[in-house]
Amino acid sequence: DVKVTQSSRYLVKRTGEKVFLECVQDMDHENMFWYRQDPGLGLRLIYFSYDVKMKEKGDIPEGYSVSREKKERFSLILESASTNQTSMYLCASSQGTGENEKLFFGSGTQLSVL
Amino acid sequence: AQKITQTQPGMFVQEKEAVTLDCTYDTSDPSYGLFWYKQPSSGEMIFLIYQGSYDQQNATEGRYSLNFQKARKSANLVISASQLGDSAMYFCAMRGLRNTPLVFGKGTRLSVIA
Repeated sequence: DVKVTQSSRYLVKRTGEKVFLECVQDMDHENMFWYRQDPGLGLRLIYFSYDVKMKEKGDIPEGYSVSREKKERFSLILESASTNQTSMYLCASSQGTGENEKLFFGSGTQLSVL
Repeated sequence: AQKITQTQPGMFVQEKEAVTLDCTYDTSDPSYGLFWYKQPSSGEMIFLIYQGSYDQQNATEGRYSLNFQKARKSANLVISASQLGDSAMYFCAMRGLRNTPLVFGKGTRLSVIA
């Protein structure tokens, strides 16, 4: 089974801190994604990557950056955390980009910015 | 661009009854895929079922079936014989052509009552 692991289940940070959310997948998937989930808004795409060292902006990239130095690891970075970034962050991966390619998700990181 | 609409923020169903969760979509792509995911209170997203736009038959996976009506651009999820463990958030999602990432709806919270 594919396993997508997010380093923290719960995280509490202060406003202005630099925050790293780590995600690792163990099935040699090409593609990795970061979504944030907020009540009433569903899942919104922040950034994604189709290859090592490549990144693409999603629908809401402002205030975030990403890093993919190795195929299995995709990091989400909040350069200066703000309270409106309090949210559930979900990492996902997939092998291909065909229409039928499903995503495999991690358990999520609930981030609170105080 | 793809868009997913889930109009039911919350639903209740009696145990052992069937329930339909609504999903409509919008896309200009001639070929696309439709997905349903379940998110229990633990937070992890679980893939349930997939329907390709050119599939002749509605997809089924155990107690889950997808009522696909292409002309109406709807892809409703039908859960038969509801169980208490079906209580969760349910997300409809789609992917079109051109390597586009998965786009999600806002979700429907299903509560199964004993």
